[in-house]
Amino acid sequence: DTGVSQNPRHKITKRGQNVTFRCDPISEHNRLYWYRQTLGQGPEFLTYFQNEAQLEKSRLLSDRFSAERPKGSFSTLEIQRTEQGDSAMYLCASSSLGRTATNEKLFFGSGTQLSVL
Amino acid sequence: ELKVEQNPLFLSMQEGKNYTIYCNYSTTSDRLYWYRQDPGKSLESLFVLLSNGAVKQEGRLMASLDTKARLSTLHITAAVHDLSATYFCAVERHMRFGAGTRLTVKP
Repeated sequence: DTGVSQNPRHKITKRGQNVTFRCDPISEHNRLYWYRQTLGQGPEFLTYFQNEAQLEKSRLLSDRFSAERPKGSFSTLEIQRTEQGDSAMYLCASSSLGRTATNEKLFFGSGTQLSVL
Repeated sequence: ELKVEQNPLFLSMQEGKNYTIYCNYSTTSDRLYWYRQDPGKSLESLFVLLSNGAVKQEGRLMASLDTKARLSTLHITAAVHDLSATYFCAVERHMRFGAGTRLTVKP
C-alpha cells in the first residue's frame, strides 16, 4: 500500500484550457474527497464520493468543475475553461467507512499544484 | 452552513513554553479531527476525537473535545522546534476545515 497517489504533481496551463487530475486512493477505502487549498488557507471542500456515488458537491463549485469515480476506485477531477482564480493545490483524500477512529481518518495525497497563466 | 474557526491564526512561541490553539465550530458534531501540515507537504492526521470529553495525547500535543461548547483545543507542552507547522482542525461533516494555525517555535 503506497497511500493516496495524485497525478500530475504540477500542472501549468493557459487560461481557457481544460485540465484533468487523477487520484488513486488507498485500495480498501470507499470514501474519496477532493479539496482545494490556496496559500495560507485551510483545505476547501469540493466534493465527496462514497464508492462510485458522488454524494455531495460544494455549492461554491462552479459548473466548470466535474468529478467522477466510475468504478469506485480512482477518481478524476476536470476543470473546464480554466481561469486564473483556479490556481491552487488540489488535494485528494480517502477514508474507509467504519467504526474505528483509525478508519475514519482522512489520508491525503501530495496534491496537484495547478498554475493558470 | 457549518463554520469552523481557529485561533490564533499565527502563533510564535519560544521553545519550552506552553500554549493552546482553539477550534470553534457552529453546528452540532460528535467528531473532530486535528491535522498537521508542514510547508510544501500534504496533511497528516494527528488526532481523532470521537465523543464529548474525549482527550488524546501524543508526545507534547494534547487534544480535547467539548461538544456542548462546540470547542476543541490543541495544547502544546514545552514546545520544541520540530512542532513548527500549520495545524488544522476539521469537523465531522465531510471534513470541513478551519483556516489553520501557523505555529513557529523559536529557540
